[in-house]
Amino acid sequence: LAKTTQPISMDSYEGQEVNITCSHNNIATNDYITWYQQFPSQGPRFIIQGYKTKVTNEVASLFIPADRKSSTLSLPRVSLSDTAVYYCLGRLTGGYNKLIFGAGTRLAVHP
Amino acid sequence: TAGITQAPTSQILAAGRSMTLRCTQDMRHNAMYWYRQDLGLGLRLIHYSNTAGTTGKGEVPDGYSVSRANTDDFPLTLASAVPSQTSVYFCASSVGSNTEAFFGQGTRLTVV
Repeated sequence: LAKTTQPISMDSYEGQEVNITCSHNNIATNDYITWYQQFPSQGPRFIIQGYKTKVTNEVASLFIPADRKSSTLSLPRVSLSDTAVYYCLGRLTGGYNKLIFGAGTRLAVHP
Repeated sequence: TAGITQAPTSQILAAGRSMTLRCTQDMRHNAMYWYRQDLGLGLRLIHYSNTAGTTGKGEVPDGYSVSRANTDDFPLTLASAVPSQTSVYFCASSVGSNTEAFFGQGTRLTVV
């Protein structure tokens, strides 16, 4: 996965769908794509993980195109409590467990 | 289930002093990690461990050391603290590299 690139910040309103895209051009064949959420003064929390196509859970959906060079986290109908920083994870080259966080996308949901 | 426990919750440390941040997990996870998060920024990997007895360097390892004597514990030591090490430190663990990582509540360290 190597380094990842995502937008620094996004704004949305309650009830809207939010899509956050992460670029990971150097993804390895066996790498999964993982997203985390972090609230202020808390540790990150796992949201969703996928390998290809689409994955959906009770919190979000993850869309991964065929080339796997990017992924899009989709949050349906956001609420004020979804205001947080969202991270796409990467991996340092040559490291089995060298999981690294991107800079993160700061999502602000407004009333 | 406790999950990941970090201690202390916060600490003010004089520059030049040493300190060990403790991290314990009760999930029997193989992999453990230490990250630092500076104010308003993302997390940076300091050190990691694939399994008990092995450790590796992350993005910002200088000034820090770790050990993994057993599965549950992964202490982080600052041998001689400097003000630039002021940060919030998070410990995490996971079964493997492609699985969900669980984070502790963090240790807020201020070096003065």
